[in-house]
Amino acid sequence: DTEVTQTPKHLVMGMTNKKSLKCEQHMGHRAMYWYKQKAKKPPELMFVYSYEKLSINESVPSRFSPECPNSSLLNLHLHALQPEDSALYLCASSREGHRMGQFFGPGTRLTVL
Amino acid sequence: GQNIDQPTEMTATEGAIVQINCTYQTSGFNGLFWYQQHAGEAPTFLSYNVLDGLEEKGRFSSFLSRSKGYSYLLLKELQMKDSASYLCATFGGSSNTGKLIFGQGTTLQVKP
Repeated sequence: DTEVTQTPKHLVMGMTNKKSLKCEQHMGHRAMYWYKQKAKKPPELMFVYSYEKLSINESVPSRFSPECPNSSLLNLHLHALQPEDSALYLCASSREGHRMGQFFGPGTRLTVL
Repeated sequence: GQNIDQPTEMTATEGAIVQINCTYQTSGFNGLFWYQQHAGEAPTFLSYNVLDGLEEKGRFSSFLSRSKGYSYLLLKELQMKDSASYLCATFGGSSNTGKLIFGQGTTLQVKP
């Protein structure tokens, strides 16, 4: 299995909703990432997990809450989002040490109404 | 600080060769990545250069000059499916953090 999967593909939510994005990989990678990408812009790093521990939080608002239940799974819990949070949310994984390429999932297209 | 520059848009003809340039300024260099991203899809890893020189992988090659802070991606025998955004990226600080910083991307349009 050489891919990163993400669910759901599309998500529409209101500003008072609570939802979660899920990411899974079975490549044995020990580093996992969340990125946010707005249209016609490059991905922006949000969080890095290394060996299931949060190692980087790029000053992301607390309405985004990451969770790494095990080495294969990464969640992003969403609560009280704003319309400007609408974007493509990408999950990625890489081997330990980070030096090899990060492999991206297909993303979740999030729309906040 | 970190600064990565690449052209915003390029156009080329099917069957031709195109070179996409990337210049970077980093506080510490730990390698340079190229990714391809089709519209509405996830970025796909193309190459990783950490030493100077040219690395060839099929129709795609990537070159790095660390002394010049310069890289390019060379695409040969262009196909229509190569129309995509090409992203240059380096590590922000130590590679141990895994923090990738992306350039703004070069949108390549391949015309018949």
